[in-house]
Amino acid sequence: DIQMTQSPSTLSASVGDRVTITCRASQSISNWLAWFQQKPGKAPKLLIYKASSLESGVPSRFSGSGSGTEFTLTISSLQPDDFATYYCQHYNSDSNTFGQGTKVEIK
Amino acid sequence: EVHLLESGGGLVQPGGSLRLSCTTSGFIFSTNAMSWVRQAPGKGLEWVSAIGGGDGRTLYADSVKGRFTISRDVSKSTLYLQMNSLRAEDTAVYYCAKDGAGGTWDYWGQGTLVTVSS
Repeated sequence: DIQMTQSPSTLSASVGDRVTITCRASQSISNWLAWFQQKPGKAPKLLIYKASSLESGVPSRFSGSGSGTEFTLTISSLQPDDFATYYCQHYNSDSNTFGQGTKVEIK
Repeated sequence: EVHLLESGGGLVQPGGSLRLSCTTSGFIFSTNAMSWVRQAPGKGLEWVSAIGGGDGRTLYADSVKGRFTISRDVSKSTLYLQMNSLRAEDTAVYYCAKDGAGGTWDYWGQGTLVTVSS
């Protein structure tokens, strides 16, 4: 099974900071990677699919990059609404695997 | 507008059964793949099961294979998850989610809590 490893587990940042979260796959997954944002008590929200495609309605300060085994989610200028937990997800026709999550906290 | 609404959660004893439902609207249910994803209290997300849009092909995580059954009623635009032989480690909020154009889940329900405890 493919394992997804996110880093860091927790990130402390200030409004306006540029934030980068990394997700590594245990083997190549091409670009079959998504990023989700989740706030406490709420369902996850899709931000990025196919590694770098921005979901409709998601602010352009969010971007994704990478292919193969290493991927990043970047928030260009952190906003108050962005403090949340972020998950990467590998998906294909046969399985789905999440990373363990990265909590973005207020510094 | 797309809507997904889960129901059927609750408290059940270990070894018991529960059936979750996810009623949907706002999209063509019959051709859309759907999944169940769960989240144990204070933990991360775990995919549980999926059902294909066209062929209705089903997939399961190893942790639930042989105990859970995913199904759908196209006439009612409703997704189900039959959960048998429940264990304490199945305690979680269960979300239903629909596949989007990007191949992963673009809409989610609000979740329903399943608690397995004696």
